[in-house]
Amino acid sequence: NAGVTQTPKFQVLKTGQSMTLQCAQDMNHNSMYWYRQDPGMGLRLIYYSASEGTTDKGEVPNGYNVSRLNKREFSLRLESAAPSQTSVYFCASRTLPTSHEQFFGPGTRLTVL
Amino acid sequence: AQSVTQLGSHVSVSEGALVLLRCNYSSSVPPYLFWYVQYPNQGLQLLLKYTSAATLVKGINGFEAEFKKSETSFHLTKPSAHMRDAAEYFCAVSVPPTDKLIFGTGTRLQVFP
Repeated sequence: NAGVTQTPKFQVLKTGQSMTLQCAQDMNHNSMYWYRQDPGMGLRLIYYSASEGTTDKGEVPNGYNVSRLNKREFSLRLESAAPSQTSVYFCASRTLPTSHEQFFGPGTRLTVL
Repeated sequence: AQSVTQLGSHVSVSEGALVLLRCNYSSSVPPYLFWYVQYPNQGLQLLLKYTSAATLVKGINGFEAEFKKSETSFHLTKPSAHMRDAAEYFCAVSVPPTDKLIFGTGTRLQVFP
């Protein structure tokens, strides 16, 4: 099993450009999450999907949209990138209902110029 | 509301010395607590978790943590540090019912020979 995979690993954008970060998991997990990691701030939740067909805002959703394409895939879209969105983005997944552990992908390092 | 505080953004120890990383939490319900480790340029890996079973939790790589309800703490310890333990460590609390994770700001552990 590959676990949680993310593409791309690195990306440089110009202000105003758009892009989609892809995440997929092969563990048949129900819940999926998008976090961003910034120095000195830990990880903050952007959006999550408790199950296929549902999505909800997290702590810092502004400037982002998500799509839960199917049970395996959860994408994060930046419609008009801003320098404040320069960060490392992590996708995670979790099964239900008894497991409370989240499994993380390797991350996408995004720079917005 | 749930929150996590990690005291000390940087901790330095000598190889073979005791490692103590501090975590205090705030939760309105019985918490689920986690310690994750992040090695340079990698994703997060679960070290250990507390899910209301034993208060002393043993994890991977010789780490353990003790849940103390009276002190609202979940400190991470290892009796003898190794060079390979150098990494960033995150404490997190789970928010029911969606199990969103609230992370602390992280502690970077340096191990000197």
